[in-house]
Amino acid sequence: DIQMTQSPSSLSASVGDRVTITCRASQTISKYLNWYQQKPGKAPTLLIYSASGLQSGVPSRFVGSGSGTEFALTISSLQPEDFATYYCQQSYTLSYTFGQGTNLQIK
Amino acid sequence: QVHLVQSGAEVRKPGASVKVSCKTSGYTFTGHFMHWVRQAPGQGLEWMGYIDPNSGGTYYAETFQGRVTMTRDTSINTAYMELSSLKSDDTAVYYCARDPSLGNNNWFDPWGPGTLVTVSS
Repeated sequence: DIQMTQSPSSLSASVGDRVTITCRASQTISKYLNWYQQKPGKAPTLLIYSASGLQSGVPSRFVGSGSGTEFALTISSLQPEDFATYYCQQSYTLSYTFGQGTNLQIK
Repeated sequence: QVHLVQSGAEVRKPGASVKVSCKTSGYTFTGHFMHWVRQAPGQGLEWMGYIDPNSGGTYYAETFQGRVTMTRDTSINTAYMELSSLKSDDTAVYYCARDPSLGNNNWFDPWGPGTLVTVSS
């Protein structure tokens, strides 16, 4: 299986900050990379598909980038509702796999 | 509007089986694969497999092969996931998630609300 490694595992930031979460694949996955947000006690929601496609209804401050093995999710100006856990997911090969998650906390 | 509704929380003893349902509405059920993902308490997301509601074809992650069965009932637009030979580390929230994509990249949107399965003696 392809291993997905996110960094950092946790991150403290303030409202208005710009933050970047990275996701590295153990082998090339082209642009078959998606990002999800999960808030406590809730199901994940899709933010970004195919590395850089913004899901309908998701604010434009969320930007995905990368290809091959290195990917990033950047939030340009943190809002209070953005504090959550973020996961990347590859669909290049079965079995699909997720990163371990990045917990974004308020500083 | 696409909507997924899952069955309620379950408690099982080790060695038993559990069957979770995912009732869909708002789209053509047979037009999109349905995936199952689980999340143990305080842990990350683990993909379990998918079912093609049109054909009934399935693919299971190797971790679950031999213990998981995914089925569907097209008459009521519902997908099911049954996990057998339960162990304590199967305690988790189990999510169904629709795959809206039609190409080679596959993503999950929306997700059901989740079903907590607790395995305890």
